[in-house]
Amino acid sequence: AQSVTQPDIHITVSEGASLELRCNYSYGATPYLFWYVQSPGQGLQLLLKYFSGDTLVQGIKGFEAEFKRSQSSFNLRKPSVHWSDAAEYFCAGSSGGYQKVTFGIGTKLQVIP
Amino acid sequence: GAVVSQHPSRVICKSGTSVKIECRSLDFQATTMFWYRQFPKQSLMLMATSNEGSKATYEQGVEKDKFLINHASLTLSTLTVTSAHPEDSSFYICSAKEGQAGNQPQHFGDGTRLSIL
Repeated sequence: AQSVTQPDIHITVSEGASLELRCNYSYGATPYLFWYVQSPGQGLQLLLKYFSGDTLVQGIKGFEAEFKRSQSSFNLRKPSVHWSDAAEYFCAGSSGGYQKVTFGIGTKLQVIP
Repeated sequence: GAVVSQHPSRVICKSGTSVKIECRSLDFQATTMFWYRQFPKQSLMLMATSNEGSKATYEQGVEKDKFLINHASLTLSTLTVTSAHPEDSSFYICSAKEGQAGNQPQHFGDGTRLSIL
């Protein structure tokens, strides 16, 4: 079955430290992959997306993600985390031509001083 | 660009009331809109896919007569929770896509917090 897995439900990092949020996918072909961020009580904002081509994708707010086919992963990274990055992060995927998107369970990021 | 407006942001009403939530794409035409429900500390659960001018496609387990979806134009979809009960209390989020292709991302509204007393 097509799915997206986020192994970490909750992550705590210090402000200024680097961040990596994990995402694994299970699709028959190369999926379309997305990372979204959700602040409390709000909708989701698209951080970045991968369709094809360069496997390192740059997004907004200083985030990037790398598509690794050999590991079926699409991890989100940021070199230096800011307190304002504290939020819930969702990895999502869809297969070519199929409109429905499958969301991971989300990773809650806590940033400590 | 790609702004989706969802209204209202919060609704508190009595059991038995019907509640309408609007989802508008402000700067693009949305061929397809989606309605999600999000429970506390959980991911998004797709309720239905709404295509302009046609009937919505509901996910398994979602009551069509309970959650009425209308997508009358390329910029507006509405979700009506009919005869709402406390168990319908949740966070409802809509999203919209500019095209049909799977590689088009969904753009989300800010959600509606529905509380049924």
